[in-house]
Amino acid sequence: DGGITQSPKYLFRKEGQNVTLSCEQNLNHDAMYWYRQDPGQGLRLIYYSQIVNDFQKGDIAEGYSVSREKKESFPLTVTSAQKNPTAFYLCASTSSAGRQGNQPQHFGDGTRLSIL
Amino acid sequence: GESVGLHLPTLSVQEGDNSIINCAYSNSASDYFIWYKQESGKGPQFIIDIRSNMDKRQGQRVTVLLNKTVKHLSLQIAATQPGDSAVYFCAENAVWGGSNYKLTFGKGTLLTVNP
Repeated sequence: DGGITQSPKYLFRKEGQNVTLSCEQNLNHDAMYWYRQDPGQGLRLIYYSQIVNDFQKGDIAEGYSVSREKKESFPLTVTSAQKNPTAFYLCASTSSAGRQGNQPQHFGDGTRLSIL
Repeated sequence: GESVGLHLPTLSVQEGDNSIINCAYSNSASDYFIWYKQESGKGPQFIIDIRSNMDKRQGQRVTVLLNKTVKHLSLQIAATQPGDSAVYFCAENAVWGGSNYKLTFGKGTLLTVNP
């Protein structure tokens, strides 16, 4: 089945530690996104990538980093600079070319990150 | 109902009733809208979308209505079932950062279906 796979489902971070969240898609989508979801709030965009080897900051990129070396993969690293990392992290993808916003984004089932 | 940027509201209905979830959007340049369903501990699931050149679109048991005059979007669920219990949120698409497009998501409405 085609879809988006996020791993791990739960992740714990120690103070001063960097952690990496995995996102893989087999939908052949060009564009991929990372969002952060906090209780009672909407999704906030961290980073997005329209094509391989290219990515742009979203609204809350500070303390995060990404890479896009392969079309299928868009890992997110939560660095020690992110002082409030506890949240539900969602990865999404969409077919693009041109006005990729006019296509629904498809989501993975998220990674819940907590601080030890 | 919800507004992109407001406190999470709740809606409680009886099984078999129709549900209406509302969403107010702020950007008059938004030209594409999506409704998502999110169950606890899972990612958002696409329900239905609508473009700004339409005012109504129907799916299986769901209908989305768009009123561009008052910048209002609604999701109607017919014959609501217990499996429909979830958080529903709308998203609007508009130009962001020049030539890019970005989806802006509302905070959601919690729908509870009572058997």
